[in-house]
This record gives sequence, structure tokens and C-alpha cells, in this order.
Amino acid sequence: DVVMTQSPLSLPVTLGQPAYISCRSSQSLVHSDGITYLNWFHQRPGQSPRRLFYQVSNRDSGVPDRFSGSGSGTDFTLKISRVEAEDVGVYYCMQGTHWPVTFGGGTKVEIK
Amino acid sequence: EVQLVESGGDLVQPGRSLRLSCTTSGYTFGDYAMTWFRQAPGKGLEWVGFIRSKTYVGATEYAASVKGRFIFTRDDSAGVAYLQMTDLKTEDTAVYYCSRGLRFPDLWGRGTVVTVSS
Repeated sequence: DVVMTQSPLSLPVTLGQPAYISCRSSQSLVHSDGITYLNWFHQRPGQSPRRLFYQVSNRDSGVPDRFSGSGSGTDFTLKISRVEAEDVGVYYCMQGTHWPVTFGGGTKVEIK
Repeated sequence: EVQLVESGGDLVQPGRSLRLSCTTSGYTFGDYAMTWFRQAPGKGLEWVGFIRSKTYVGATEYAASVKGRFIFTRDDSAGVAYLQMTDLKTEDTAVYYCSRGLRFPDLWGRGTVVTVSS
């Protein structure tokens, strides 16, 4: 199985400051069709996950442009340029290139 | 508006069975694969598996932890996906989510709670 390693586990951030979440995979996430199926999700307490990005950097509708996704191969990053209060919660990366689908362990973002 | 609503979660004893439903609306259900995920209390997200659309003959794939015990089915005419769970174990206790899509599932339901306990 592809192991997805996220860091940090916990990320206390000051409002208005940037935040970076790293996600590394144990093998390349480039599918034989040439697409990299790396997704990012955000989950607030008591809510279901909401997809933020698919195929590394395609932002979902309604996701603020202070969020960006980047990376390739086995190394990916989610960036929040200026953290706002509504951004708290747990962020997960998920790979859909290889079966079984696997998730990172999650990064909990909180406001300092 | 696209909606996915899970139902059927319950408290059951180990070894028993349960069937979850994922009722959808707002899109052409038959055009999409449906994926199931779960989240144990206080834990991260876990992929349970998927059922493809009829175009792909409804092919299924299961996580190793549930293979042989869980079965996915779908009723395209009703827009509903099902998760039949048998021989439930305490480690199956989780919130179960259905979602639309395969490699990059876009929409998720709110989940239904399954508790396996004696």
C-alpha cells in the first residue's frame, strides 16, 4: 500500500500568517494515464470532509484563493497564504492513483 | 443541488449484519462510481472501497480489512448505493461516508454512525 506521510501533525498558526502542510507518498503518484491523483480535504469538527484540491492543484469551487496546492511525484504541499479563523480543522491528503486509496494521517490547524 | 445522504447506521453486536444506504439526488447517479469511507472515533479517514458505474460493469474493490465481509451494490433507477456489512467486528465502529467518484471523490455525505459493541 502507498503510505502517505503528512507533516506537521499539529500546526498552530497566527491569524493572517501563512501555513504549509507537507504530504509525501512512498511511491510516485503519477498514474499510467499521466495524471497525478493527489487530493486535499478539509474536515471541521463534527463535519464531513470537504475536498479542496484534486489532481494536486485544481482548486474546487468555493475554495478561497488563499489556498494553493502544489507538488509532483511523491512530494506535495498545501499552502494557506493568510490563515483565517474558518480555516481551523484537520487537513488530509489522499492519493487515488493506486489501490487501495490511502490518506495521510491528518494535520490539525489551530489558531494560536 | 447534489446531495448524498447516508442512513442505516445503528448499534449492533459483534458478528451481526447491517446495511447502509446512500441516497443521492441532483445528478445522474448512474454515471458515477460511488466510494465508501469510514472514520473511527478520534481517528483519520479510511477508504472502504468502491463500486463503479454500469459502464464499468459495476466493478468493485474493497479494503483488505473488509474484504469478504462487506459488499457494495447500487440501484441506478433509485439513485441509491448500498453497503452490506456482515460479521461485524468492534473495529468496524466508525462514521461511514459515501462519496461520489473514484480517484478524486468530490462530494461526501454527512455520514452515518455504526457502533459494534456487545
